[in-house]
Formats: sequence, C-alpha cells, structure tokens
Amino acid sequence: AQSVTQLDSHVSVSEGTPVLLRCNYSSSYSPSLFWYVQHPNKGLQLLLKYTSAATLVKGINGFEAEFKKSETSFHLTKPSAHMSDAAEYFCVVSDYGGSQGNLIFGKGTKLSVKP
Amino acid sequence: GAVVSQHPSRVICKSGTSVKIECRSLDFQATTMFWYRQFPKQSLMLMATSNEGSKATYEQGVEKDKFLINHASLTLSTLTVTSAHPEDSSFYICSARDRRSGGVSGTQYFGPGTRLTVL
Repeated sequence: AQSVTQLDSHVSVSEGTPVLLRCNYSSSYSPSLFWYVQHPNKGLQLLLKYTSAATLVKGINGFEAEFKKSETSFHLTKPSAHMSDAAEYFCVVSDYGGSQGNLIFGKGTKLSVKP
Repeated sequence: GAVVSQHPSRVICKSGTSVKIECRSLDFQATTMFWYRQFPKQSLMLMATSNEGSKATYEQGVEKDKFLINHASLTLSTLTVTSAHPEDSSFYICSARDRRSGGVSGTQYFGPGTRLTVL
C-alpha cells in the first residue's frame, strides 16, 4: 500500500533563507508524487508533480523537489523563503495501482516565515 | 488554470438536519470527482470517489447512507450530509479530475472547501 510520511509537522524559517520540507514515501508501484500547498481559507494548489520523468521537478513559486528512489524521499525545497510562502504543505502519493488513481495525503507541514 | 468551486463555503446547521454541498468544475469537464474530509490540524482523508453517471465508491468506514453523493453531470457533484450530528462538523473538500488529462494519472484540482458546523 502507498503512504507518505512528512517528517516535520512545523517548520519555521526566516525570510530570505532556504526552505526544506521533508517527505518519505512508501509505494508498491512506481509512484507519482505531488506537493500541494494550502493557504488559509483557500483551496489546495498543486506546486509540482513527479511522474517518472526527470527526478528533479521544478514547480511554481520557485519550489522544486527531487525524487530519490534509493532514499524513498521527495523533499521540497526553495532557495529563499518569502512571507507569502507561509502555509500548510502536503506531500501526496497517488494510488495509481488502484482503479481510481486516488491521492494519499501526508499529515502536512506548517511552514512559518519570520520577517 | 482549472477552477473548482464549492458552495456554500460555510454552513451552520442544527443537529438532525441535512446539508447539501455542491462541487463544480468551472472550466473543464470532470468524469471523476473526489470528496475529502479534513479535521483541524490534520490531513485530508478521502471519503469517496464519484464518477459521472455511476454510483460513488466509498472508502472503508464511510457510511454511504449518511454521506450521499450524486455526480449529476460532468461539471457537478453534490455531497449531502444526512441527519447531521456535531461529530460531522468538519472541513469538506472536493476535487475534480479533468477528463482530458490522461485517465487515473490526471491532475486533481481542488475546491476551496466547505466548513460545516453542526450545533
């Protein structure tokens, strides 16, 4: 069965410093992996998606993630945090082995950005 | 980008009443829509998957008679919480998969969510 583990429930960084949000996955198949961001009172927005092409995936707003099969990791990074990046981030794996392609969410990491 | 709307955004109801939540894909057609539930400070839990023109598939532990799902058209799915109780209070989020985007691997687009409070 597929699952994801987000290793930090809360990450706090200063504006202008790098961001690292950690995610490990477990999958019986070649996984498709996603990062979504949820701002307060707004819908989930797709940041980036990995589907077995390039292992380094670039997303929106300067975020990127690297798929490392040997480490079963898909960590999200950004070189320089902005105040507007403060939000909840979810690492997600797709259950493409099932017939519906359901998404399985991690517990989320809350990113705080200090001025 | 693809837009999914939900209505209402917030609803407060009395215990024992039923509440209907609508999920619409505004600029694309969705053969498959998903309903999630999110408890405070927790992740999204998939409740059910609805396919246009067929019965919804419910996840284990989700009562199909309590959470009625209807996928009436390629742009509309509804979730009705019947005989609501305070423990049903939660944040309900829908998503829709663009029928053009490659089957089960297609990207899901999420609505903004509906906050349900049952008194």
